[in-house]
Amino acid sequence: AQSVTQPDIHITVSEGASLELRCNYSYGATPYLFWYVQSPGQGLQLLLKYFSGDTLVQGIKGFEAEFKRSQSSFNLRKPSVHWSDAAEYFCAVGNMENNDMRFGAGTRLTVKP
Amino acid sequence: ETGVTQSPTHLIKTRGQQVTLRCSSQSGHNTVSWYQQALGQGPQFIFQYYREEENGRGNFPPRFSGLQFPNYSSELNVNALELDDSALYLCASSTPDQGNEQFFGPGTRLTVL
Repeated sequence: AQSVTQPDIHITVSEGASLELRCNYSYGATPYLFWYVQSPGQGLQLLLKYFSGDTLVQGIKGFEAEFKRSQSSFNLRKPSVHWSDAAEYFCAVGNMENNDMRFGAGTRLTVKP
Repeated sequence: ETGVTQSPTHLIKTRGQQVTLRCSSQSGHNTVSWYQQALGQGPQFIFQYYREEENGRGNFPPRFSGLQFPNYSSELNVNALELDDSALYLCASSTPDQGNEQFFGPGTRLTVL
């Protein structure tokens, strides 16, 4: 079965600084990869997804992620963080063969003024 | 287009009781997935329903059961509640026509005392 590891539990960055959130997955075939954001008390909002094709994926709110098969990684990046980006970020892996999506434990992002 | 809705928003139950949570899928979606998100953790897949049939199940005991109706709305039932069932329960709807991308509702916060 697939699995996801987000090595960083909590990250703090200054507003305007760049951001990279790490995600490593385990899955034998080509995975479907997702990044979601969750604000306190809210559901999950999809930032971006990778199914196939170009390994650099653009998402909403200025986020992008790069699929690197050789490193089993799908790291999320943003060149300049805004205070409103403070939230919990979840990486997830899914596929077409089975029906469950596996989530990482999440990375909490704090943005300093 | 109406998004995924869940009811109730919050719920408090005592140990041993039973609970039913409800989810209305997004228009045009025929698949509903349920997730449990404990505090500080990522969502864990409970099960999925596709066209009124269970279509995959995660590692949850049989006291977690579900139902999907002809209009594709869904219920999650939990019997014999335990303290560890306290969590945010998320519903997501999808359709194969859109690559099974899951759209999440805001969740139901269940507290078991």
